[in-house]
Amino acid sequence: DTEVTQTPKHLVMGMTNKKSLKCEQHMGHRAMYWYKQKAKKPPELMFVYSYEKLSINESVPSRFSPECPNSSLLNLHLHALQPEDSALYLCASSPLAGGPHEQYFGPGTRLTVT
Amino acid sequence: DQQVKQNSPSLSVQEGRISILNCDYTNSMFDYFLWYKKYPAEGPTFLISISSIKDKNEDGRFTVFLNKSAKHLSLHIVPSQPGDSAVYFCAASEAGNQFYFGTGTSLTVIP
Repeated sequence: DTEVTQTPKHLVMGMTNKKSLKCEQHMGHRAMYWYKQKAKKPPELMFVYSYEKLSINESVPSRFSPECPNSSLLNLHLHALQPEDSALYLCASSPLAGGPHEQYFGPGTRLTVT
Repeated sequence: DQQVKQNSPSLSVQEGRISILNCDYTNSMFDYFLWYKKYPAEGPTFLISISSIKDKNEDGRFTVFLNKSAKHLSLHIVPSQPGDSAVYFCAASEAGNQFYFGTGTSLTVIP
């Protein structure tokens, strides 16, 4: 199984809502990532988890709250988002953080904040 | 400031010919480079990688070339096939801790 799955595929939420994005992999990877991608822009790294511990936070606003309950799951909790947070949110995993390892991406969650 | 750049937003190539996608980077500490392919409504799919100790890596129809002095890498696809039509991203990292992506090149292979 070389798949990273993400749910939901699409999400529309108001600025006062609380929602969560979910990501799952069963490849035994110990590093997981959240990226944000705006239209016609490259993916931008938000968070890195290594061995279920947050190792990199790219100065992401606190309205985005990541969580790694176990080595297969990664969540992104959303609260009080702004319309400019509308984007494609990509999850990825790799065997380890650091070193020459490719990242495997999920299909993304298309988020619209109204 | 973008550390990885793909200056050609789009490229069209005839089926059977060579596709050459280019990527430039500014950080001389980058030591690992990857190419990803992305179809609409899907996440990027890993294609091929190269570490800075090499200048060429080949996998079937795909070859990546790295010119460290010019801080330039390229992806060659030969022969190009219609199924290769997608957006191609290059990415670079220093010690694999954080990957920086280019803005992508949309390749269209014309049958």
